[in-house]
Amino acid sequence: GAVVSQHPSRVICKSGTSVKIECRSLDFQATTMFWYRQFPKQSLMLMATSNEGSKATYEQGVEKDKFLINHASLTLSTLTVTSAHPEDSSFYICSAPAGLNNEQFFGPGTRLTVL
Amino acid sequence: AQKVTQAQTEISVVEKEDVTLDCVYETRDTTYYLFWYKQPPSGELVFLIRRNSFDEQNEISGRYSWNFQKSTSSFNFTITASQVVDSAVYFCALSEPYSGAGSYQLTFGKGTKLSVIP
Repeated sequence: GAVVSQHPSRVICKSGTSVKIECRSLDFQATTMFWYRQFPKQSLMLMATSNEGSKATYEQGVEKDKFLINHASLTLSTLTVTSAHPEDSSFYICSAPAGLNNEQFFGPGTRLTVL
Repeated sequence: AQKVTQAQTEISVVEKEDVTLDCVYETRDTTYYLFWYKQPPSGELVFLIRRNSFDEQNEISGRYSWNFQKSTSSFNFTITASQVVDSAVYFCALSEPYSGAGSYQLTFGKGTKLSVIP
């Protein structure tokens, strides 16, 4: 099956710094990837749709300047949390569709803790 | 707008008991997909099943079974003879129709935390 990786798996940073999270499709190409955010004991909320070669599409309420998304290639999308604050601490998960039926394959997630 | 409701926030069962996780969905689309995912404490989502809206056949996979009732907009998940390793958060999800453009989005329920007690 298709494999999606994320790096780093866990990151702790100081308030005010920027953090970059990578999402890679390892054995397939993905023109579209999705970024989700999951607060503790809560559901996954779609943040944005990353599109290769064009701007990302953000969900309502998600700050574009806060969460920068760059779909650099057909196998890589990055999410940069700029000037991170403690309230940005969360579990970030990416996914990419693959296969004949465009089934979603999820990355293992990145746990961000902002001190 | 699409919506997925998992009314059970947490469930605890004793090992070997059967347990059913409920999922009710809302959509205006006539074509859609339903999913169940398992999220163990490690956080990684594990795909369990995908069901096409046109296929109302129930499915069984080992100790897992799914009951899709289009008339009541429900897609319930049953684990028989539960085991401690089944302890996790289970999410039901709904996708918009595949547009042919290459991808579709998922709407997740809030999840049900299942604890299987030895």
